[in-house]
Amino acid sequence: DTAVSQTPKYLVTQMGNDKSIKCEQNLGHDTMYWYKQDSKKFLKIMFSYNNKELIINETVPNRFSPKSPDKAHLNLHINSLELGDSAVYFCASSQRRSNPSTDTQYFGPGTRLTVL
Amino acid sequence: GNSVTQMEGPVTLSEEAFLTINCTYTATGYPSLFWYVQYPGEGLQLLLKATKADDKGSNKGFEATYRKETTSFHLEKGSVQVSDSAVYFCALAVFTGGGNKLTFGTGTQLKVEL
Repeated sequence: DTAVSQTPKYLVTQMGNDKSIKCEQNLGHDTMYWYKQDSKKFLKIMFSYNNKELIINETVPNRFSPKSPDKAHLNLHINSLELGDSAVYFCASSQRRSNPSTDTQYFGPGTRLTVL
Repeated sequence: GNSVTQMEGPVTLSEEAFLTINCTYTATGYPSLFWYVQYPGEGLQLLLKATKADDKGSNKGFEATYRKETTSFHLEKGSVQVSDSAVYFCALAVFTGGGNKLTFGTGTQLKVEL
């Protein structure tokens, strides 16, 4: 009965490679997000999709490309990985209500990406 | 722009001590305020939230009151337990042009000892 799941949990790869992280939510939510947590635990939003439409893109390098095949999935593809991409990536989801700023975002367990 | 400032950690307390973690914010518009908790090796869980001024959020013995006049949302607990050891994040959300994004503080690590 996992609400927001991510795969893989750990990802170790070489610089220059291309990798994907998958996210799925079974909460019936219409909005999904990707956040990056750096080594100092600072969290910053990367992307947000509502009903498969990109609505937030926070000056993320275009090596990062989110893809939402349906409302329940938001995958993150990263091209030409760099050392600085090493971080924990969190997926989240929420259901948009009449006052969206009150929406609660539910987070996945995270994917720890290590680029060597 | 929007920002959240939290007290720096780590905070180390003895079990049953009183906890306060300070959080202040800067925001355009009318934000909602949240506290999230991250236990070791896990994702973030919502601890509590408040959506308008003077609202008090509470959960598991933790409380925080939305103070518009001081732009603060301090987290308190009367008696902490070892199981409360985690990283606590204060966050705000302002809905802008179709997107609702959380802006987080830097997190405060809490360690509770016997």
